Amino acid sequence: SQQGEEDPQALSIQEGENATMNCSYKTSINNLQWYRQNSGRGLVHLILIRSNEREKHSGRLRVTLDTSKKSSSLLITASRAADTASYFCATYPPGAGNMLTFGGGTRLMVKP
Amino acid sequence: GAGVSQSPSNKVTEKGKDVELRCDPISGHTALYWYRQSLGQGLEFLIYFQGNSAPDKSGLPSDRFSAERTGGSVSTLTIQRTQQEDSAVYLCASSPVGGAPGEQYFGPGTRLTVT
Repeated sequence: SQQGEEDPQALSIQEGENATMNCSYKTSINNLQWYRQNSGRGLVHLILIRSNEREKHSGRLRVTLDTSKKSSSLLITASRAADTASYFCATYPPGAGNMLTFGGGTRLMVKP
Repeated sequence: GAGVSQSPSNKVTEKGKDVELRCDPISGHTALYWYRQSLGQGLEFLIYFQGNSAPDKSGLPSDRFSAERTGGSVSTLTIQRTQQEDSAVYLCASSPVGGAPGEQYFGPGTRLTVT
């Protein structure tokens, strides 16, 4: 089974609203990353949060990490139609040999 | 600078034929990864190269799948005797030396359709 599991699987909101996506994982991690994918093609790296960090911001993105609960959340504030995409979390466990383990993703639709 | 490139962008092949997928990593990136993404799913790790060697082939789903990397640069993923369940997007990523652990840059993928 996949290390990361995103919740919800699909999310539909109006432009201007905030979108929150959650990710749970099973093993210890070195870091956790969030990626965005448009139309099922290449992934764009959004943000990396290390295991000793609890919160990180990048523009309209806010990521939190709770290692005790093995979970992370991605918040997109003031969403735009252009934010419509699939969002994946990926974990990098210690000693993984650089292999990222991805969750199933959240499909976000932002309606104009 | 140029990102990771993959070719072809789309490939349609008949069941039973062999296919080759190519990945050009970012120049100077020593690590290269192949992932597979089935429709509506997350990414599944296939194989990882450090230089020209592949220390981790654990994700290759069957012996019909193989990959090589030459000159520490271009990599080719070969699928022999393709099956319909091989239909997926195949994504390649590369990592820089000294980057953050797990830092990977992805190419646009090759969409493989086996008919």
